[in-house]
Amino acid sequence: NAGVTQTPKFQVLKTGQSMTLQCAQDMNHEYMSWYRQDPGMGLRLIHYSVGAGITDQGEVPNGYNVSRSTTEDFPLRLLSAAPSQTSVYFCASTETGAGANVLTFGAGSRLTVL
Amino acid sequence: AQKITQTQPGMFVQEKEAVTLDCTYDTSDPSYGLFWYKQPSSGEMIFLIYQGSYDQQNATEGRYSLNFQKARKSANLVISASQLGDSAMYFCAMRGLLQGGSEKLVFGKGMKLTVNP
Repeated sequence: NAGVTQTPKFQVLKTGQSMTLQCAQDMNHEYMSWYRQDPGMGLRLIHYSVGAGITDQGEVPNGYNVSRSTTEDFPLRLLSAAPSQTSVYFCASTETGAGANVLTFGAGSRLTVL
Repeated sequence: AQKITQTQPGMFVQEKEAVTLDCTYDTSDPSYGLFWYKQPSSGEMIFLIYQGSYDQQNATEGRYSLNFQKARKSANLVISASQLGDSAMYFCAMRGLLQGGSEKLVFGKGMKLTVNP
């Protein structure tokens, strides 16, 4: 009963480096999403997906890429990291459709870009 | 477009008192859901309560209740009998409920509640 698993928990990058934050869920959730959390800004949606092969932009998509080749996985890619991407990143998933579909969150990934 | 507004950056309350956390929203979706989450200092996101836009009654979950005023577009969280463990960040969030609507879940900026002994 793993829920939503994010890796890594901590990462330090240099400006210009690339990396992928991994997110996997074992609940067969159709909806998956990535948020970043910055002090005073709350959680801002980066990208989301309502099913395999379908992705869409959220509020702050610039500098990030996603793909959804399987229902279980939703990786977030930083192609050329910038200090402005220093943040805590959360992956979350839920079922789609009507109803109280509560997001299940991962534990978060703290990224520092020097 | 969806928008959630939480204007209180922080609040202080005495233990055992009730507290109301404000949330207003804006959406073009005819059917939507409103959520409140808690984030303690440990960082995890904890779901507290849900209100559907067509629910006739205000949602309640233990010490938590949601004061839903649809005409005013507000969804305030009420915590009765505050406990020290309620000290945390609180986030209001919203998503559309209809297929083809705004299925993404959008959060407010949050507010910090401190419960004093």
